[in-house]
Amino acid sequence: AQTVTQSQPEMSVQEAETVTLSCTYDTSENNYYLFWYKQPPSRQMILVIRQEAYKQQNATENRFSVNFQKAAKSFSLKISDSQLGDTAMYFCAFLITQGGSEKLVFGKGTKLTVNP
Amino acid sequence: DTGVSQDPRHKITKRGQNVTFRCDPISEHNRLYWYRQTLGQGPEFLTYFQNEAQLEKSRLLSDRFSAERPKGSFSTLEIQRTEQGDSAMYLCASSPRASRPEAFFGQGTRLTVV
Repeated sequence: AQTVTQSQPEMSVQEAETVTLSCTYDTSENNYYLFWYKQPPSRQMILVIRQEAYKQQNATENRFSVNFQKAAKSFSLKISDSQLGDTAMYFCAFLITQGGSEKLVFGKGTKLTVNP
Repeated sequence: DTGVSQDPRHKITKRGQNVTFRCDPISEHNRLYWYRQTLGQGPEFLTYFQNEAQLEKSRLLSDRFSAERPKGSFSTLEIQRTEQGDSAMYLCASSPRASRPEAFFGQGTRLTVV
């Protein structure tokens, strides 16, 4: 089964500090993509960062970076210098490609609150 | 606005009625997906199109659900004989190609069945 697990339903952080959101996944595939998406309250899902499984180097996008541990099937997101606008639901997702089809499998999400 | 567009944004319907939602993907994105999201959960996959071909339909979808993507452009999702359990946010997403598989999401259609 292809699954994504986010073990932290809610987290909070003070503005300007660093926070790490956890994600583990299960797959038998060797080549795949992993993503973190952000969903602010009542707003659309926005891509934060992506990681190709064949790349050993961890992806970074400005204040956002990942710690990708392929053997452990772990894909955590680190947010540095947290800002109030980072308050949102964060979803870890895994792209499955099988038999010509594609789909994202999402975790249940982590609700992040950045406090002033 | 060149993002993914969904219409309507909100729909309230009585149980047993049929509803249809529309999604306009980003221009030239040949991959289109529909997902369903209930409160407090991550999106769940419903169906996938590559151009006009529907390549996968989730087992979550009963026969009351149908999706089309004529001419490989916009897509429609129809729910027949709606039930209260169909109440959810329906999300549409598109992506450009295999080498750039990241999906771009629309704002969703929130369906309430009363």
